[in-house]
Amino acid sequence: NAGVTQTPKFRILKIGQSMTLQCTQDMNHNYMYWYRQDPGMGLKLIYYSVGAGITDKGEVPNGYNVSRSTTEDFPLRLELAAPSQTSVYFCASSTGDSNQPQHFGDGTRLSIL
Amino acid sequence: GQNIDQPTEMTATEGAIVQINCTYQTSGFNGLFWYQQHAGEAPTFLSYNVLDGLEEKGRFSSFLSRSKGYSYLLLKELQMKDSASYLCAVSASGGSYIPTFGRGTSLIVHP
Repeated sequence: NAGVTQTPKFRILKIGQSMTLQCTQDMNHNYMYWYRQDPGMGLKLIYYSVGAGITDKGEVPNGYNVSRSTTEDFPLRLELAAPSQTSVYFCASSTGDSNQPQHFGDGTRLSIL
Repeated sequence: GQNIDQPTEMTATEGAIVQINCTYQTSGFNGLFWYQQHAGEAPTFLSYNVLDGLEEKGRFSSFLSRSKGYSYLLLKELQMKDSASYLCAVSASGGSYIPTFGRGTSLIVHP
């Protein structure tokens, strides 16, 4: 199994550009998540989804949008990139059971200049 | 909301034992996870505690005291490859059990 796959691995954007970070999982997990991680900081939740067609805001949703049209895919969209969005972005998935861990993708390293 | 506290950085010697603490304040506690994250890589699951006591998994053990809002991760027989960041994450009932992460503890193991 591939697990959680994120693309691209690296990207440089100019201020004001937009882009979509892709995330797909092949474990049939209901729950999916997007986090950002800044140097020396933990994981901050951007958006999450508990199933296809359902999304909800996390701790730091401003400047981002998500959709969940299928169980497998959970793309994250940046509409107007800002330098403050320079970060490492991790997608994760889980069954949704409270005792089950999250499985993380390898991350997307995004720089906005 | 939840408040999770971990030391920022720890150092230890190869072969030694190290204890990484995590304290938390939350309503409706529903479990605590520990993850390991090597530099430039994704977090990987280490352990889960929901009941008080010690859970042992090889060289790694995790302890929980719900009444004190306290957990620790114990790493024995340290190896150089244990140099990584260790993240504590707390799950609370309500809010779909989405775990909240602490800032992580960066562990440096030296020879």
